[in-house]
Amino acid sequence: EVQLVESGGGLVQPGGSLRLSCAASGFTFSSYSMNWVRQAPGKGLEWVSYIDSTSYPIYYADSVKGRFTISRDNARNSLYLQMNSLRVEDTAVYYCARDRSNGSYFLFDPWGQGTLVTVSS
Amino acid sequence: DIQMTQSPSSLSASVGDRVTITCRASQSISNYLNWYQQKPGKAPKLLIYGASTLQSGVPSRFSGSGSGTDLTLTISNLQPEDCATYYCQQSYSTLYTFGQGTKLEIK
Repeated sequence: EVQLVESGGGLVQPGGSLRLSCAASGFTFSSYSMNWVRQAPGKGLEWVSYIDSTSYPIYYADSVKGRFTISRDNARNSLYLQMNSLRVEDTAVYYCARDRSNGSYFLFDPWGQGTLVTVSS
Repeated sequence: DIQMTQSPSSLSASVGDRVTITCRASQSISNYLNWYQQKPGKAPKLLIYGASTLQSGVPSRFSGSGSGTDLTLTISNLQPEDCATYYCQQSYSTLYTFGQGTKLEIK
């Protein structure tokens, strides 16, 4: 079974740092690009970052560029999101999602269950 | 970045109804458009990709259409389990963007 499990969320003060992890299983992780997507409480989905299967290229949403760093360890089947200089507005459930292609189309499938990050003093 | 605007933001319909959700892109995205369904407390689930291709296991009452800047998701013969929030997502650019979501309520 293809599965993604996020961890590392929690409560952090503004200006602090947190590192999220996403453990992948049931597929050849090294063959797939991956993404982080977040959802603030009661709000919609916001794409955060993309990393290619080889770790290049990498893209970020403007809202996190310069503060967040996406990375992966294909030997450990794991995806990471290092979040620095956290702001109250970064409070959200963070999902990892596999970037799957079908022909020329790219889609997110599956998604993990999410991990909650709360930035508050 | 490509902006995605969904309408309506919410709607209420009865079992058996046919509903349509529209997604408008700020520039042409051809048919690089995905639709996701999200139920409360759950992760989003892929419904349709490439604007009109149904993901395996998704009921045939879901359909997608359109190309360019205006694309639609249609749910025919609405069922109680379709109560959810629906999101469009463009995959034309790797700076992926989502619509703001459409909350569907079953009367």
